[in-house]
Amino acid sequence: NAGVTQTPKFRVLKTGQSMTLLCAQDMNHEYMYWYRQDPGMGLRLIHYSVGEGTTAKGEVPDGYNVSRLKKQNFLLGLESAAPSQTSVYFCASFEASWPYEQYFGPGTRLTVT
Amino acid sequence: DAKTTQPPSMDCAEGRAANLPCNHSTISGNEYVYWYRQIHSQGPQYIIHGLKNNETNEMASLIITEDRKSSTLILPHATLRDTAVYYCIVRAPNFGNEKLTFGTGTRLTIIP
Repeated sequence: NAGVTQTPKFRVLKTGQSMTLLCAQDMNHEYMYWYRQDPGMGLRLIHYSVGEGTTAKGEVPDGYNVSRLKKQNFLLGLESAAPSQTSVYFCASFEASWPYEQYFGPGTRLTVT
Repeated sequence: DAKTTQPPSMDCAEGRAANLPCNHSTISGNEYVYWYRQIHSQGPQYIIHGLKNNETNEMASLIITEDRKSSTLILPHATLRDTAVYYCIVRAPNFGNEKLTFGTGTRLTIIP
């Protein structure tokens, strides 16, 4: 049982390049979230999914797209990376039942130059 | 989510109890108090949650005041591995547009 895994762990992009971050969970959770964390700040929700085939916008969705084609995977895409997207990205998953405990992945550190 | 206030940093000697306070004076009757922590560069980790009764698990204890306006997370025998940023969050158990609102937390440093 690996829990929540994220790929890659580190990445450096040039402005305008695209990439996809992969989040995978083996706990059969319905809900999956993507957060970003910037220095000195808490986590901010980018996009989330409440089940296979569904996605919704969080509080900072601009510049990102997501897909949830399989229940265990949640992809975060950057179509045209910008320096403002330099951040640490965390994925989380949880079951839609009390106490809604969220399980986080180890994070992806992305630098856009 | 109700707003929470935590001290920005605290130190605690190794082996002693670490007591981390959190103020949540605007908490609503159906909102729970959750605690998470984030060890350097890792994803946040759930610790404990409670409504109005004191709670204890293998990681920590949670003491909530009778008026529910504040709470204290207690790590009974702090170790160096407990050095982390601790986040206090309040939220209601109504599910839908669920997200965790993390503030800046308390940076706890365990001193050898």
